Amino acid sequence: EAGVAQSPRYKIIEKRQSVAFWCNPISGHATLYWYQQILGQGPKLLIQFQNNGVVDDSQLPKDRFSAERLKGVDSTLKIQPAKLEDSAVYLCASSFRTSGVIYFGPGTRLTVL
Amino acid sequence: DAKTTQPNSMESNEEEPVHLPCNHSTISGTDYIHWYRQLPSQGPEYVIHGLTSNVNNRMASLAIAEDRKSSTLILHRATLRDAAVYYCILRDPNNAGNMLTFGGGTRLMVKP
Repeated sequence: EAGVAQSPRYKIIEKRQSVAFWCNPISGHATLYWYQQILGQGPKLLIQFQNNGVVDDSQLPKDRFSAERLKGVDSTLKIQPAKLEDSAVYLCASSFRTSGVIYFGPGTRLTVL
Repeated sequence: DAKTTQPNSMESNEEEPVHLPCNHSTISGTDYIHWYRQLPSQGPEYVIHGLTSNVNNRMASLAIAEDRKSSTLILHRATLRDAAVYYCILRDPNNAGNMLTFGGGTRLMVKP
């Protein structure tokens, strides 16, 4: 079974630029999560989708971050404009149902200069 | 969300058992105890979970205290590949949000 796919794996941008990350969850997984992991810290949930609807986005900085899950499958996370403090690893994860085991992708390491 | 408390780091010798503790004194009756681990430069991976009874799988064992306010992840024979950050998390299947909030975890170092 293929795992959660993410791209790109690495991205370097300058502050105030825009960036987008893509995620393809495991086939059949209805729940999709985006996490931000700053160096030395545990992952912090940004947004959770159930199919193509948002379940929780309370920790998403909505003035600069946006996410969508078209047709309840792939998802994109966008940052516009980026700040220095956005430098982190962005992890996508999915689960078959909201209470199931969560499978994580390899993450995208973002560096904002 | 109910919180968990774990030691920042632990050290073990290769091929010896490792007991990783987790305190969750505010756990609710419907919270499951989940353990994930994160190897260097990888996303977290599921290890084991349980509700009340002790659990075993091919990766580890989970021992849950009778009052459920603490639990211990047991690696029966640590290998160098077990060096990772281990996260203890509470997950309520009745909560539609079901955030799976991570704390700082325990960094396990394995010495050869």
